Amino acid sequence: EDQVTQSPEALRLQEGESSSLNCSYTVSGLRGLFWYRQDPGKGPEFLFTLYSAGEEKEKERLKATLTKKESFLHITAPKPEDSATYLCAVQANNDMRFGAGTRLTVKP
Amino acid sequence: KAGVTQTPRYLIKTRGQQVTLSCSPISGHRSVSWYQQTPGQGLQFLFEYFSETQRNKGNFPGRFSGRQFSNSRSEMNVSTLELGDSALYLCASSLVSGSRSGNTIYFGEGSWLTVV
Repeated sequence: EDQVTQSPEALRLQEGESSSLNCSYTVSGLRGLFWYRQDPGKGPEFLFTLYSAGEEKEKERLKATLTKKESFLHITAPKPEDSATYLCAVQANNDMRFGAGTRLTVKP
Repeated sequence: KAGVTQTPRYLIKTRGQQVTLSCSPISGHRSVSWYQQTPGQGLQFLFEYFSETQRNKGNFPGRFSGRQFSNSRSEMNVSTLELGDSALYLCASSLVSGSRSGNTIYFGEGSWLTVV
């Protein structure tokens, strides 16, 4: 069965302390892997789409990478405004499946 | 460019009632999908509509239904509400059907439904 697992469940960082979020998946026929950011009480905001192993994408302090089994969201020198839940989703066949998310808190 | 618009943002219903939620996709987007988000289950796919036809359906009971109009706007309906239906209902739109390879979906702010 297709599965998407995100770790850690929660992450607390000091401002400026870089780290990575993990999204591991077991799906057949991956068509795309997506990262979203969700603030409390709001809908998920699109960040990146990755299509194939080895692909990387960057946006400000965020960098997403993809291998055949997992994706990483690297956060460099985070700021308090980066605090949010980060969701990973994989699209395979006709299904879009989301992970449970990583709740990131960045302390000033 | 306007994003995905959902109405109402908040609503409270009584168990046994029905509710209709509305979604206007991004201009030019023809696919609309609906998701339920709860703290315990996370984001779960309800169904997707493209060109007024349901293309995919998640594992939800028949009380959950939807439709899409010719202008791509969509509604979802939940009948005979149960306490467990309390959730954030999210609508997402994309250019083409979500079953297409790597098709990015964009979410609205959601409709918060509380069933009492």
